[in-house]
Amino acid sequence: AQTVTQSQPEMSVQEAETVTLSCTYDTSENNYYLFWYKQPPSRQMILVIRQEAYKQQNATENRFSVNFQKAAKSFSLKISDSQLGDTAMYFCAFRMPGGGNTPLVFGKGTRLSVIA
Amino acid sequence: EAGVAQSPRYKIIEKRQSVAFWCNPISGHATLYWYQQILGQGPKLLIQFQNNGVVDDSQLPKDRFSAERLKGVDSTLKIQPAKLEDSAVYLCASSLTSGGTNHNEQFFGPGTRLTVL
Repeated sequence: AQTVTQSQPEMSVQEAETVTLSCTYDTSENNYYLFWYKQPPSRQMILVIRQEAYKQQNATENRFSVNFQKAAKSFSLKISDSQLGDTAMYFCAFRMPGGGNTPLVFGKGTRLSVIA
Repeated sequence: EAGVAQSPRYKIIEKRQSVAFWCNPISGHATLYWYQQILGQGPKLLIQFQNNGVVDDSQLPKDRFSAERLKGVDSTLKIQPAKLEDSAVYLCASSLTSGGTNHNEQFFGPGTRLTVL
């Protein structure tokens, strides 16, 4: 079974600074998808960024980027120019391919606080 | 485009009582998921539907939990009888279906927070 580990329960960062959230995963598969989701206090799970394992290039979405190290099974999220609205729980998630609709396997999350 | 709708947003019950949650996925989304998120943990899949058929319910505690999606659109999740350890947020998500291996994004609802006293 696939597992996802987030070793940082809580982190904080000053506004406008950069922060990196860590994630490792365990799988014997070669093709899969990795995600970072944001969950603010409203509980709405929002997709931040996604990475396909077959792509060597790291995904980037505006201020969010990932460092995907397939051999090390590591998938970290970097948030640049942190904003107060980035304060939330962040979950790393893994998904197997398979008809496009396999479920997500989540880590335990990292609580990020952006401080003014 | 309307998002995934869930109700109620909050529910407080006593142990051994019954409770039901409702989810209406995004229009046209054939796949529907129910996740349980216990405080301090990430969501865990309970059950996955494809239209009105069950794809995966291997982690659903079937002695007390049941779910249905009779017309392939909205879904209900029921707990009977509830235990203290069922206190959690119950998230519903939906996605399009494709015949290949392309990723289809899962869209989440706001969740129902259940407290069992």
